[in-house]
Amino acid sequence: TQLLEQSPQFLSIQEGENLTVYCNSSSVFSSLQWYRQEPGEGPVLLVTVVTGGEVKKLKRLTFQFGDARKDSSLHITAAQPGDTGLYLCGGATNKLIFGTGTLLAVQP
Amino acid sequence: EAGVAQSPRYKIIEKRQSVAFWCNPISGHATLYWYQQILGQGPKLLIQFQNNGVVDDSQLPKDRFSAERLKGVDSTLKIQPAKLEDSAVYLCASSLVPQVEAFFGQGTRLTVV
Repeated sequence: TQLLEQSPQFLSIQEGENLTVYCNSSSVFSSLQWYRQEPGEGPVLLVTVVTGGEVKKLKRLTFQFGDARKDSSLHITAAQPGDTGLYLCGGATNKLIFGTGTLLAVQP
Repeated sequence: EAGVAQSPRYKIIEKRQSVAFWCNPISGHATLYWYQQILGQGPKLLIQFQNNGVVDDSQLPKDRFSAERLKGVDSTLKIQPAKLEDSAVYLCASSLVPQVEAFFGQGTRLTVV
């Protein structure tokens, strides 16, 4: 069974702080996707990483795919209250599975 | 472009009753997914369709859950009979390319009492 473990499970920080969320698996994925989900809504795609070692930046968010394509990280610089939400990594093989989720709360 | 449509948005039923959820994916999206999401957790894949064929249903509790996508467009997910532990949000998603950029509906929040 393919599993995607995310850490930490919960994160409460002050506005302006930096943070990193990790997504780990023993399985190899053809791509890793990061989504953010707000209450009452479905997840929305932030970025897709495909190549081992790939780094992508989206404003204050930096995403990295591990060299072996088994893990990924999301780094947020100078977090803002608008970054609050549930962050999910999604791994693609012959199906699309999701990680356990990281619930981020950014306090003003 | 219209998004993924799901109905109903909310449903409350008693245990042992049956319930059905409907999903209309984005036009042209051949891949359709049904996920179950417990509050605060990541979505769990129940079933993935490619057109009207099943790609994966390994996590679908087949003794009580069923899903179909007869014409390769919209889909229904049924639970019969429901158990208390089925209380969750049921998310439908679709993608143009399998496993790439899934677009989600708002989900159906099911409460089993």
